[in-house]
Amino acid sequence: EADIYQTPRYLVIGTGKKITLECSQTMGHDKMYWYQQDPGMELHLIHYSYGVNSTEKGDLSSESTVSRIRTEHFPLTLESARPSHTSQYLCASSEGPASGNTIYFGEGSWLTVV
Amino acid sequence: QKEVEQDPGPLSVPEGAIVSLNCTYSNSAFQYFMWYRQYSRKGPELLMYTYSSGNKEDGRFTAQVDKSSKYISLFIRDSQPSDSATYLCAMRTQGAQKLVFGQGTRLTINP
Repeated sequence: EADIYQTPRYLVIGTGKKITLECSQTMGHDKMYWYQQDPGMELHLIHYSYGVNSTEKGDLSSESTVSRIRTEHFPLTLESARPSHTSQYLCASSEGPASGNTIYFGEGSWLTVV
Repeated sequence: QKEVEQDPGPLSVPEGAIVSLNCTYSNSAFQYFMWYRQYSRKGPELLMYTYSSGNKEDGRFTAQVDKSSKYISLFIRDSQPSDSATYLCAMRTQGAQKLVFGQGTRLTINP
């Protein structure tokens, strides 16, 4: 069972605002990920981290940024939100090779930019 | 062509039916295969995890991997309305950190 928490779950925000989506996990996983998913569509990896002070961009280009100052915390920030950023953002973390690096997801943050 | 292909459905079956969900893939180096279930407005949850070829059973769920055909399946026996969700396959190569996901199949079990 995974313990990974995302806040807020739902957010409606105006264009141009700065937002931060929070993600925390209590399992001590080194690897953490952010995925973006539009309704009924595929998951797209936008950021990942293999440890503290390590962040990489994912397969899908995103205007968001991430930081990893603590193992358990991996926030995602949009400096200036736009309607095109409206989507579901899923945070995830994974165990080590012994379990196949299986990924566990949070409940997701639904962002609507108006 | 995508690395992992999954029929998006939607798939609608009556309660009690056996459901078969499938993915094909092109990268023969994939070794780890997973199935995730995602309810509406929720994050995906891990359902089944299989390494290499063969079958794995967990209750009403059976995962099958056929590496020679590059084809994986998830079978659901005695399907229940609570099984209604989107099912995503995912896979990765040995040593890779990232998973490659299928598009997901939307499944509805009708009472």
